[in-house]
Amino acid sequence: NAGVMQNPRHLVRRRGQEARLRCSPMKGHSHVYWYRQLPEEGLKFMVYLQKENIIDESGMPKERFSAEFPKEGPSILRIQQVVRGDSAAYFCASSPRDGGEQYFGPGTRLTVT
Amino acid sequence: DAKTTQPNSMESNEEEPVHLPCNHSTISGTDYIHWYRQLPSQGPEYVIHGLTSNVNNRMASLAIAEDRKSSTLILHRATLRDAAVYYCSGTRGSSNTGKLIFGQGTTLQVKP
Repeated sequence: NAGVMQNPRHLVRRRGQEARLRCSPMKGHSHVYWYRQLPEEGLKFMVYLQKENIIDESGMPKERFSAEFPKEGPSILRIQQVVRGDSAAYFCASSPRDGGEQYFGPGTRLTVT
Repeated sequence: DAKTTQPNSMESNEEEPVHLPCNHSTISGTDYIHWYRQLPSQGPEYVIHGLTSNVNNRMASLAIAEDRKSSTLILHRATLRDAAVYYCSGTRGSSNTGKLIFGQGTTLQVKP
């Protein structure tokens, strides 16, 4: 059973461009979480999705950030008009059940120049 | 959301047991206690979780206080590969939640 996959592993964007981060959960997992880790800081929850539904987006910035988890395909975290402060490692995790253990991907390291 | 408090750092000698404490005094009755660890430049790795009873798995043991306001992660024989940042977190067992709230974690150093 393959683990959680994230791509790209590294992404460089200029200020004002769009960043799309993809996450394929483990087989059979329908719960997906996104977390952000700023340099030298801890992990912060962003959003929790189940198939086709956003369940909790309390950690997501109100503007420029959006997430989806379609019926088919990976979950996508989209950041529009990136700024330098968006530079961080973005981790996706999947779980087989609500409140269960979460399995993390290797992360996407976004650098905004 | 349950807030957690952990020591910033701890040291251990290789092949000795390690007890990593976590205070979660605001935890609610339905919050599970989770532990994860993170090596440099890697994603967090699930270690163990529990609700009320002590839990054991191949990686570690989790001892939960009777009042559930604290817990201890026990690594029975530390190895150099156990050097990491360890995070405890509370997450609700009720439906439609499950987000992990991470604190600053404990950086564990293992000396050979």
